Amino acid sequence: DSGVTQTPKHLITATGQRVTLRCSPRSGDLSVYWYQQSLDQGLQFLIQYYNGEERAKGNILERFSAQQFPDLHSELNLSSLELGDSALYFCASSPTGNSNQPQHFGDGTRLSIL
Amino acid sequence: EDKVVQSPLSLVVHEGDTVTLNCSYEVTNFRSLLWYKQEKKAPTFLFMLTSSGIEKKSGRLSSILDKKELFSILNITATQTGDSAVYLCAANGVNNNDMRFGAGTRLTVKP
Repeated sequence: DSGVTQTPKHLITATGQRVTLRCSPRSGDLSVYWYQQSLDQGLQFLIQYYNGEERAKGNILERFSAQQFPDLHSELNLSSLELGDSALYFCASSPTGNSNQPQHFGDGTRLSIL
Repeated sequence: EDKVVQSPLSLVVHEGDTVTLNCSYEVTNFRSLLWYKQEKKAPTFLFMLTSSGIEKKSGRLSSILDKKELFSILNITATQTGDSAVYLCAANGVNNNDMRFGAGTRLTVKP
């Protein structure tokens, strides 16, 4: 158990809808990362937050947004969903967000778009 | 463009065999290389390597980094069926904080 908690575990919805994925980092970790893992793309970095502020952005679509709250939990919002958004979405956390620290991953949210 | 390439993509061995997984990287202002094991769910952290030539070891697993040739290897000795998983390699740069992952090596260990 990594200590990173993601909810829900599974989400099934339809095209055009909007969903929110939630992540609680490990106790003491200030930085949260979001990744998308699909069969044909592997693990792709989406966005990083540190102590409530956006720190780095990767291949995140404009239809996607995220935030980190004062209690350090984070939410990833996906809107106008398309079939291609079906994937496993992982959250990871690390203490300070520096690249010399390993990230620890949650179990992911499996999103299926019908 | 930054990239991480792992080989082989897939490997099938028998229990007791020794395997070597490869990872090459091209990352701007490289800082660290990480190995993860992914079974059904979350990638689980194995090693972080920042210095060349220093082997990191944990039980039957070991890893080393070559910063001159830009690659790392992960060795697993006396493999067991529980080692079956996808092994992911990721590289981190200094200036950007996103980890770039390779496609992974799917290891299957048969009894």
